[in-house]
Amino acid sequence: EVQLVESGGGLVQPGGSLRLSCAASGFTFSSYEMNWVRQAPGKGLEWVSYISSSGSTIYYADSVKGRFTISRDNAKNSLYLQMNSLRAEDTAVYYCARVGPMIGGAFDIWGQGTMVTVSS
Amino acid sequence: EIVLTQSPATLSLSPGERATLSCRASQSVSSYLAWYQQKPGQAPRLLIYDASNRATGIPARFSGSGSGTDFTLTISSLEPEDFAVYYCQQRSNWRYTFGQGTKLEIK
Repeated sequence: EVQLVESGGGLVQPGGSLRLSCAASGFTFSSYEMNWVRQAPGKGLEWVSYISSSGSTIYYADSVKGRFTISRDNAKNSLYLQMNSLRAEDTAVYYCARVGPMIGGAFDIWGQGTMVTVSS
Repeated sequence: EIVLTQSPATLSLSPGERATLSCRASQSVSSYLAWYQQKPGQAPRLLIYDASNRATGIPARFSGSGSGTDFTLTISSLEPEDFAVYYCQQRSNWRYTFGQGTKLEIK
């Protein structure tokens, strides 16, 4: 079964750090581009970051640039999001999502999400 | 940044009726437009990619149309399980944006 499973969420104080992980299974992870998307409580979806299949190309939303770092370990079938200098407005469910093959960049597989709460 | 504006914000319809959801881009996105469905407590699910292609396993009652800046998601005859929030999404130079969502609720 094709699956993405996020972990690493939790409660963190403003200014703190957290590292999210996304474990992929059921497909050749190293062949796919990946993304992080977040959703604040009761709000819509916000794209956070993109990484190419090799990890050589990376993009960030302006709201997280300079604070978040996306990375991947293809040998471990894992995607990561290092989040530093966290703010209250970073509170959200964080999803990892796969860019599907030959579908114009759309996200065909999503994880179940991991909740990050930034609060003192 | 390309902004996607969805309308209406909320759509109240009954099962069996036809639903028409709109997504307008602030500049052309060609056909790189996708639609997602999200139910409470669940991750989004891909419905439509490249503006008009149904994703794997999506029922034929879902259809997408449009190009450039104006796009439409149509659900031909609503089933009870279709009541959810719908988002459009675009990709421009591998930077993505989502619309704010349309909530489809039971009338």
